[in-house]
Amino acid sequence: QQPVQSPQAVILREGEDAVINCSSSKALYSVHWYRQKHGEAPVFLMILLKGGEQKGHDKISASFNEKKQQSSLYLTASQLSYSGTYFCGTENFGGFKTIFGAGTRLFVKA
Amino acid sequence: DAGVTQSPTHLIKTRGQQVTLRCSPKSGHDTVSWYQQALGQGPQFIFQYYEEEERQRGNFPDRFSGHQFPNYSSELNVNALLLGDSALYLCASSSNRMKKNTEAFFGQGTRLTVV
Repeated sequence: QQPVQSPQAVILREGEDAVINCSSSKALYSVHWYRQKHGEAPVFLMILLKGGEQKGHDKISASFNEKKQQSSLYLTASQLSYSGTYFCGTENFGGFKTIFGAGTRLFVKA
Repeated sequence: DAGVTQSPTHLIKTRGQQVTLRCSPKSGHDTVSWYQQALGQGPQFIFQYYEEEERQRGNFPDRFSGHQFPNYSSELNVNALLLGDSALYLCASSSNRMKKNTEAFFGQGTRLTVV
């Protein structure tokens, strides 16, 4: 039931792009994306609700394909501040809990 | 506007003891969820409280219990502590009444170490 995130880790140079994927074996009601820096609390990035929906937050955007039960997070022109662990959290129909994936560790170097 | 606050920030307990962790939600929020995060893992859902009732529970034993007060603050209690309970405990608050699709704000967490 836990969503699967890929890749597990990625190293980027400043200015490069990255895609983080999140997939579930169950029908999804929504997908949440968070970023957590070492020793800090997870910080909310965005929620996606509808099939094919895309959202943007600065140079970070995401899409949600409810038919494929997948979501992708796109980081464009990465900055040093993007470093951290990215988690997707999924909500299924008929429940209130958010189930988090194992995370994708992103490191951006100068 | 204070965000989500948790106390204490760090705690060391002995096996078999009991612990109580506290959470004050963000102003305007009425729903509190508790998560356990082991090192290098994603947060694992423990339970969610809304209107002073446990609304949903994850796969955690009955040793984990909670409470929500009329002011929406919440406590997480863990009895008969095991070494495996060592983790970061996160509280997340949201304002969703009966809706689910709202953002959740996390507190800084309580680092529990069981020795």
